[in-house]
Amino acid sequence: EPEVTQTPSHQVTQMGQEVILRCVPISNHLYFYWYRQILGQKVEFLVSFYNNEISEKSEIFDDQFSVERPDGSNFTLKIRSTKLEDSAMYFCASSGAGAGINEKLFFGSGTQLSVL
Amino acid sequence: QQQVKQSPQSLIVQKGGISIINCAYENTAFDYFPWYQQFPGKGPALLIAIRPDVSEKKEGRFTISFNKSAKQFSLHIMDSQPGDSATYFCAVQGGSEKLVFGKGTKLTVNP
Repeated sequence: EPEVTQTPSHQVTQMGQEVILRCVPISNHLYFYWYRQILGQKVEFLVSFYNNEISEKSEIFDDQFSVERPDGSNFTLKIRSTKLEDSAMYFCASSGAGAGINEKLFFGSGTQLSVL
Repeated sequence: QQQVKQSPQSLIVQKGGISIINCAYENTAFDYFPWYQQFPGKGPALLIAIRPDVSEKKEGRFTISFNKSAKQFSLHIMDSQPGDSATYFCAVQGGSEKLVFGKGTKLTVNP
């Protein structure tokens, strides 16, 4: 089965530093997402992205966050100035059609971000 | 506001037994109800999903039961196996790109 690939698997950073989390969605997919999961808690939606723009974002996705699809294969999440509370597992996901029409979402294995 | 409530938080079942996980939701606009399975160190993987026009969907040992009037849906795992030990999340979706997840149920199936 095709996979969503995320790098790095672990990222440690100092508070206030910028981090970029990288994802390679499944090649023919059109819709891209970032979710996060704080340790032991539920998975939370951050942002959805389609046709080179954000289609929906949550209240968590403030001005410190940005997403980009810099080329035809990568999808990135940037956190401009990390806070301690940004420590979480970040999951990238993709689908062939929008999740709003109930298309299957494929999740990557995640990047564990630790902010010290 | 918790849009979907999942229970129990953890569940221990003997091999061969039935595992039952429940979810309740508030918003009648939700029209897609998936269950995700997550193993440690991995992302969630879609297990089975249902839409509100049917009351039950079965795929192998996994069954979703859906009660629209009660705004509840549940996952049943028949003949539970140790390999089913994982965290299970229900989710809801409707009129939006985002999935809203429950808090998860950690299932342990003892051999």
